[in-house]
Amino acid sequence: AQTVTQSQPEMSVQEAETVTLSCTYDTSESDYYLFWYKQPPSRQMILVIRQEAYKQQNATENRFSVNFQKAAKSFSLKISDSQLGDAAMYFCAYRSGGATNKLIFGTGTLLAVQP
Amino acid sequence: GAVVSQHPSWVICKSGTSVKIECRSLDFQATTMFWYRQFPKQSLMLMATSNEGSKATYEQGVEKDKFLINHASLTLSTLTVTSAHPEDSSFYICSAWSKLTQFFGPGTRLTVL
Repeated sequence: AQTVTQSQPEMSVQEAETVTLSCTYDTSESDYYLFWYKQPPSRQMILVIRQEAYKQQNATENRFSVNFQKAAKSFSLKISDSQLGDAAMYFCAYRSGGATNKLIFGTGTLLAVQP
Repeated sequence: GAVVSQHPSWVICKSGTSVKIECRSLDFQATTMFWYRQFPKQSLMLMATSNEGSKATYEQGVEKDKFLINHASLTLSTLTVTSAHPEDSSFYICSAWSKLTQFFGPGTRLTVL
């Protein structure tokens, strides 16, 4: 079975600085998708970024980028120029590329942004 | 992106009563929807997969008779918590896939007194 591990329960970053959140996963599949979701205090889950495993290029979305290391099964999220609004719980998630369309979530990393 | 709504956003009920939570996909059709439960400062726990026109698939350990799921149309799934008890108090979230992304509803906070 696939698993997703986020080893950092909490992180803190100064406003305007850069922070990297870690995520590792375990799978025997070659086709899958990886996601980072943000859950602010409102508790609305928001997609931050998506990475298809078959793509070698790392996904980017404005200030958010990932470092996808397929061989190492690592999928870290880098937030550049951190803003107060980035403060939230961040979840890494895995989806199989096969028929199963469940999302498997990590335990989350709570990010605090210091002014 | 696609929009998923939930209603109500917040509900308080007495122990022993039933509560229905609605999940709608507003601008897309969803043959499959998902129901999650989340405790404070914890991750999302998948409860069941709701399939349009057929029975839901429940995760191990989730009581089917306690959490009734109906997916009557391509845009609506409902979760009914039957004979609710204080231990059922939690945050319930639904979601659906649209174009390789799972979109989430805003959640429903259930408090059982």
